[in-house]
Amino acid sequence: KAGVTQTPRYLIKTRGQQVTLSCSPISGHRSVSWYQQTPGQGLQFLFEYFSETQRNKGNFPGRFSGRQFSNSRSEMNVSTLELGDSALYLCASSSGTYQETQYFGPGTRLLVL
Amino acid sequence: GNSVTQMEGPVTLSEEAFLTINCTYTATGYPSLFWYVQYPGEGLQLLLKATKADDKGSNKGFEATYRKETTSFHLEKGSVQVSDSAVYFCARSGGSNYKLTFGKGTLLTVNP
Repeated sequence: KAGVTQTPRYLIKTRGQQVTLSCSPISGHRSVSWYQQTPGQGLQFLFEYFSETQRNKGNFPGRFSGRQFSNSRSEMNVSTLELGDSALYLCASSSGTYQETQYFGPGTRLLVL
Repeated sequence: GNSVTQMEGPVTLSEEAFLTINCTYTATGYPSLFWYVQYPGEGLQLLLKATKADDKGSNKGFEATYRKETTSFHLEKGSVQVSDSAVYFCARSGGSNYKLTFGKGTLLTVNP
């Protein structure tokens, strides 16, 4: 089975711009979660989607949003980028069953200048 | 809320040394526990997991036992290799949502 894929792998943006990241889960998985990884804050949960519905949300401002499509692929969008949004954004997929293992993609590294 | 505390390191060992990375978790609910590993420039790879008390997860020579009485899930390996150099994250699931809560990660460097 193919693993979780994320595109693009690297992005450079400037403050005030917006960005969209994409994630394709493992075939058959219906849950996609997004995490932000920074040296200072570590790994923080952004949100989770299951069957096209946001099921859980972390403590991030409304500039961070996401969606999931009928084929379970997910996108996350960050509007009005700030320098502090520079991070590695990780996507994880699972079957969506409670406490099921999450499998991570390679991440998208975003640099905001 | 849920939290995970792990030794932050960095940890530097010689090849074939014994490794222990400590991890404790908050005892809320009945979490599953995980160890993930992150190699430079990559995402997180599942190393091992345990879903209930006294379960032992193992993979590639690494082991961790789910200890409910001490709320711990320490990672061990009897003989580390240079290729084990990476950042190791302890995580728990459970609670009212489906998210993983991670420790801050432990950088392991193994020297030949």
